[in-house]
Amino acid sequence: DTEVTQTPKHLVMGMTNKKSLKCEQHMGHRAMYWYKQKAKKPPELMFVYSYEKLSINESVPSRFSPECPNSSLLNLHLHALQPEDSALYLCASSQGDRDHTGELFFGEGSRLTVL
Amino acid sequence: GENVEQHPSTLSVQEGDSAVIKCTYSDSASNYFPWYKQELGKGPQLIIDIRSNVGEKKDQRIAVTLNKTAKHFSLHITETQPEDSAVYFCAPGGGSTLGRLYFGRGTQLTVWP
Repeated sequence: DTEVTQTPKHLVMGMTNKKSLKCEQHMGHRAMYWYKQKAKKPPELMFVYSYEKLSINESVPSRFSPECPNSSLLNLHLHALQPEDSALYLCASSQGDRDHTGELFFGEGSRLTVL
Repeated sequence: GENVEQHPSTLSVQEGDSAVIKCTYSDSASNYFPWYKQELGKGPQLIIDIRSNVGEKKDQRIAVTLNKTAKHFSLHITETQPEDSAVYFCAPGGGSTLGRLYFGRGTQLTVWP
């Protein structure tokens, strides 16, 4: 199983809503990532979890709150988002080499629209 | 952080022609050089990567070449096919930006039948 599964595929939310994006992998990978991708732009790193601990936060606003309940699951909790937060949110995982090189396995993404 | 530049931003070729995409980076400590392909509606997928102790790597129609002195690496696709049409990203890493993969701006490759 070389899949990273993301749910939901599409999400529409108002600025006062609270919602969560979910990501799951069963490859035994120890590093998991959240990326944000706007249309016609490259993925931008948001968070990195290594061995279930948050190791990198790329100065992401607190309205985005990541959580790693166990080595297979990664969540992104969303609260009080702005319309400019509308984007494709990609989850990825990797084996978690010490220097974080090696293949990233991406999910298909959750397309978020904030009204 | 790493400054990554990728050229060209768009590339149109006839089926069967070759395509070359170049990526330059700024961090001389980078030691890992992957290329990702992103098809419409999907997440990026690794197509080939190279480490700094190797100058070239081939996988069927795809090759990556690395010039560490000049700090650039290139993706070469030969005998292009319509299914090669996608956005390609370079993402050098492993240097001082540990854990942070900075993606290039992407190259939209279109292969015309």
